[in-house]
Amino acid sequence: NAGVTQTPKFQVLKTGQSMTLQCAQDMNHEYMSWYRQDPGMGLRLIHYSVGAGITDQGEVPNGYNVSRSTTEDFPLRLLSAAPSQTSVYFCASSPTRLAGGPNEQFFGPGTRLTVL
Amino acid sequence: GENVEQHPSTLSVQEGDSAVIKCTYSDSASNYFPWYKQELGKRPQLIIDIRSNVGEKKDQRIAVTLNKTAKHFSLHITETQPEDSAVYFCAAPREYSTLTFGKGTMLLVSP
Repeated sequence: NAGVTQTPKFQVLKTGQSMTLQCAQDMNHEYMSWYRQDPGMGLRLIHYSVGAGITDQGEVPNGYNVSRSTTEDFPLRLLSAAPSQTSVYFCASSPTRLAGGPNEQFFGPGTRLTVL
Repeated sequence: GENVEQHPSTLSVQEGDSAVIKCTYSDSASNYFPWYKQELGKRPQLIIDIRSNVGEKKDQRIAVTLNKTAKHFSLHITETQPEDSAVYFCAAPREYSTLTFGKGTMLLVSP
């Protein structure tokens, strides 16, 4: 299994440009999520999905859109990039919750995005 | 929502010493507390986790303790080695297995 994969690894955008960060997983996990990581801030949840067709907002959703048309893929779209969106973006997936609570989050390798 | 505080932000130890990182959480209903290790330029990787029905869990040189009454949990690394140098994150659960993370502790182990 490849686990969680992300493309691209690096991206430089100009302010106002749009792009899509790709995320895929081959573990048949129902839950997928996107986090951003900024220096000194830890990881913060942007959006998440509990299955195909179902998404919801996390802690910092503004400026980002998501959709989930298949179990495997969960792309993150930046409609009009801003310098404040310069960050490292991690996609994660998790199996359905156990009766005893949450499951481990498996992270992708990350995308380093710079917005000029 | 859940709030997670992590201390210290940086920790320097000599090889062979022990290291302790502490976290507090705000939601008394939280029941799962993972610790992630992140090496420079890499993804976070789970190193140990604990559920609220136990007070301590060990895995070789690492252990996690949980005090539900005080709403805090700690990571203990014994006999530290240079390869333990990394950033460590604690976390507490949000909805559907997503997580609220602490801001991280940079651990530096000097030979």
